[in-house]
Amino acid sequence: RKEVEQDPGPFNVPEGATVAFNCTYSNSASQSFFWYRQDCRKEPKLLMSVYSSGNEDGRFTAQLNRASQYISLLIRDSKLSDSATYLCVVGYNNNDMRFGAGTRLTVKP
Amino acid sequence: EPEVTQTPSHQVTQMGQEVILRCVPISNHLYFYWYRQILGQKVEFLVSFYNNEISEKSEIFDDQFSVERPDGSNFTLKIRSTKLEDSAMYFCATQGPTRGRGEQYFGPGTRLTVT
Repeated sequence: RKEVEQDPGPFNVPEGATVAFNCTYSNSASQSFFWYRQDCRKEPKLLMSVYSSGNEDGRFTAQLNRASQYISLLIRDSKLSDSATYLCVVGYNNNDMRFGAGTRLTVKP
Repeated sequence: EPEVTQTPSHQVTQMGQEVILRCVPISNHLYFYWYRQILGQKVEFLVSFYNNEISEKSEIFDDQFSVERPDGSNFTLKIRSTKLEDSAMYFCATQGPTRGRGEQYFGPGTRLTVT
């Protein structure tokens, strides 16, 4: 079983749509959770950390369910600039991170 | 805004040659990481480094790989005898002075091509 699994995608949505990404992780000892975005041939960039209580940053909302070992990211009112690959990332005790394979999002006019 | 830098941006080398990839972390960061991403595949953890020693390494990080912080600023990844399958993007990432939930910041990467 993969350590971090994500929706395979790709997701193709119109501008203004709401889109949700899901992620599951296998190691119950995981301690930190993040969503990164990666543009084509660029480095991953932190989008947001994910907290147990859930957190929101503008149009982005992240949720964590430790019991189900499940993380989600919701993007509302999607923009063309949201087109990227979204990486679910899980950290362990010493902050070593394990990346999901990513879900590609394309927002179309 | 402080950023992680990496050099070179692209390195082409012949199989069997040694390469050194360099990273300059954000100045007050204490935790350093190398990742690789083979084209079209996911980002893979290689090694983490703190207090001048390796704290964790993956199964990918075999005897051909080594890391060091030679002068207190640069953080390097050395591949002793490159193989074709080492061709990938190599990302350095650094993390701030507090351990725990700290986010990692990635450099722009070095594209390594082994021919």
